Amino acid sequence: DTEVTQTPKHLVMGMTNKKSLKCEQHMGHRAMYWYKQKAKKPPELMFVYSYEKLSINESVPSRFSPECPNSSLLNLHLHALQPEDSALYLCASSQLQGSRRSNQPQHFGDGTRLSIL
Amino acid sequence: KQEVTQIPAALSVPEGENLVLNCSFTDSAIYNLQWFRQDPGKGLTSLLLIQSSQREQTSGRLNASLDKSSGRSTLYIAASQPGDSATYLCAVLKTTDSWGKLQFGAGTQVVVTP
Repeated sequence: DTEVTQTPKHLVMGMTNKKSLKCEQHMGHRAMYWYKQKAKKPPELMFVYSYEKLSINESVPSRFSPECPNSSLLNLHLHALQPEDSALYLCASSQLQGSRRSNQPQHFGDGTRLSIL
Repeated sequence: KQEVTQIPAALSVPEGENLVLNCSFTDSAIYNLQWFRQDPGKGLTSLLLIQSSQREQTSGRLNASLDKSSGRSTLYIAASQPGDSATYLCAVLKTTDSWGKLQFGAGTQVVVTP
């Protein structure tokens, strides 16, 4: 069983809907990540939060809005998505040791399979 | 720009054979390299992480080596089992990238036949 929990596991939404993806970890990790993975492709980094602050935004469209309300939770708010946004959205976390980089492994959740109609 | 390549893209072996998976990267200025396993429709499971100062890491039937100067890492899985069937991805963290920005290879899809 994964130590990073993502909900929901599956989500189908229309292009005008607003929905949120949730991610939770209780390992005390202070870095959390959102990735997008298309079929047969490797994960692509979207956002990184470190110490609950947004550290990296990989030029993601504004229809994706991340939020880190506390050190255990990470949300991804979705609005006005396009069909090409259909993908597996993965959350990950890792320990930080006070430096800008983590030499600890990233732990992934099982993802949310998102389909845009 | 860092490029991470995994060859072969797919591999099929009979049960009991050893698996050898390759990962190459173009920029040797890496902080660490991580191997993951991904089952269909699932997230990534971390298998091994090798720091740039290390030459290899071992966990059970898994052994990963790192030759930073030649830009190569190899994952060995001894005595393969059908349960080892999955896609295996390697990812590097460059020294010039911050906050855990991993760069992934495209993966090797492994099938172990009984």
